[in-house]
Amino acid sequence: QVQLQESGPGLVKPSETLSLTCTVSGASISSYHWSWIRQPAGKGLEWIGRVYTSGSTNYNPSLKSRVTMSVDSSKNQFSLKLSSVTAADTALYYCARDSVDWLPTGEFSRSFDYWGQGTLVTVSS
Amino acid sequence: EIVLTQSPGTLSLSPGDRATLSCRASQSVSGNSLAWYQQKPGQAPRLLIYGASSRATGIPDRFSGSGSGTDFTLTISRLEPEDFAVYYCQQFGASPLFTFGPGTKVDIK
Repeated sequence: QVQLQESGPGLVKPSETLSLTCTVSGASISSYHWSWIRQPAGKGLEWIGRVYTSGSTNYNPSLKSRVTMSVDSSKNQFSLKLSSVTAADTALYYCARDSVDWLPTGEFSRSFDYWGQGTLVTVSS
Repeated sequence: EIVLTQSPGTLSLSPGDRATLSCRASQSVSGNSLAWYQQKPGQAPRLLIYGASSRATGIPDRFSGSGSGTDFTLTISRLEPEDFAVYYCQQFGASPLFTFGPGTKVDIK
């Protein structure tokens, strides 16, 4: 059974860097894309970006200038760094596995099949 | 940027009712890569439907997805008490790679 667990500081000061780690258990981190998604209290979901086990990344253009993601296959972990945070970055941060599914039409679909429980990060002085 | 719009914002129904949720995209969704998620308070989203119409592992058959191009629908044939939740649609392909709709809340009438 695949399980994801986020970890990191729950409180970050404005202008500093938010750092989170997601530990994957029950499956190898290899050969998958792994994403970070956030959700401000009472609001919807925002995809932050993803990292592949090779280290290649894709980021949401709205956050790209501040985001860095990396993977540590030896520890079955991947990480998020978000720099220059403000109160607007206060949210529940989820890590998730990005799964590809081949459809009968020959096309493929991508969705998030496993999620961590989420970790609340508050930006405040 | 592709924008997903979900309607209605809130759906008030009773157990046993049929629920029909809509997700409309501002442009055609690549390869029908459209997924639906259920989120209950204090929980992470759970994948229900991928590829617009394929049920994820372990999802009851009362959940079904349909649609293509820009118009997609999630149908819950008969609402069970545990189905009252918020439902999100999500697309893959356009920039940003993944976007979510604002959600539809299904609450008890």
